[in-house]
Amino acid sequence: LAKTTQPISMDSYEGQEVNITCSHNNIATNDYITWYQQFPSQGPRFIIQGYKTKVTNEVASLFIPADRKSSTLSLPRVSLSDTAVYYCLVGPYTGTASKLTFGTGTRLQVTL
Amino acid sequence: EAGVTQFPSHSVIEKGQTVTLRCDPISGHDNLYWYRRVMGKEIKFLLHFVKESKQDESGMPNNRFLAERTGGTYSTLKVQPAELEDSGVYFCASSQDAKDRSKAGPGEQYFGPGTRLTVT
Repeated sequence: LAKTTQPISMDSYEGQEVNITCSHNNIATNDYITWYQQFPSQGPRFIIQGYKTKVTNEVASLFIPADRKSSTLSLPRVSLSDTAVYYCLVGPYTGTASKLTFGTGTRLQVTL
Repeated sequence: EAGVTQFPSHSVIEKGQTVTLRCDPISGHDNLYWYRRVMGKEIKFLLHFVKESKQDESGMPNNRFLAERTGGTYSTLKVQPAELEDSGVYFCASSQDAKDRSKAGPGEQYFGPGTRLTVT
């Protein structure tokens, strides 16, 4: 399983764009990159997943450069409710979803 | 659509006792997973069911832990006898199989709120 490295914590003001970068130097050819969000006393929640280039959904964008050794989760115009821990996961999944390997995550604190 | 539910939300037991945690996945999800977070540490995988079969139980810490998924619906995780180091939050997650396996990535896992187990 590819090892990931993320900043331990980040601070932002409400309304700003937040970019959280994850390093995964030993990512394998068939690995995907997935981000989860976790609030206190809740289970992790899927945000976005991608393989290469850029993926966008209604809550976030995921940027993956050509070498795929890193990825950046972009949260546009964060609000106080985006305060949470964000996990970057990389894994050699094929077809059926298998176990996820969580790292320490990035604790995002959004303030007014 | 109902999400993944777990019961109980919190359990406090004494060392040596038995505890059974229950997980009800989203209806129609063949894949069911158990994870655990021990205080101050990362969320760790325990095991993976596909329907009623154990696909991967490489994360189970020892033989005091027994997981079942009779009939391929809900699952139980029994800890017997419980030890102090078993304290933590136990998460259950479920997912569907990808419709097109040739294009499938990890897929999306839906997590329950967790059961907080405290062993005293």
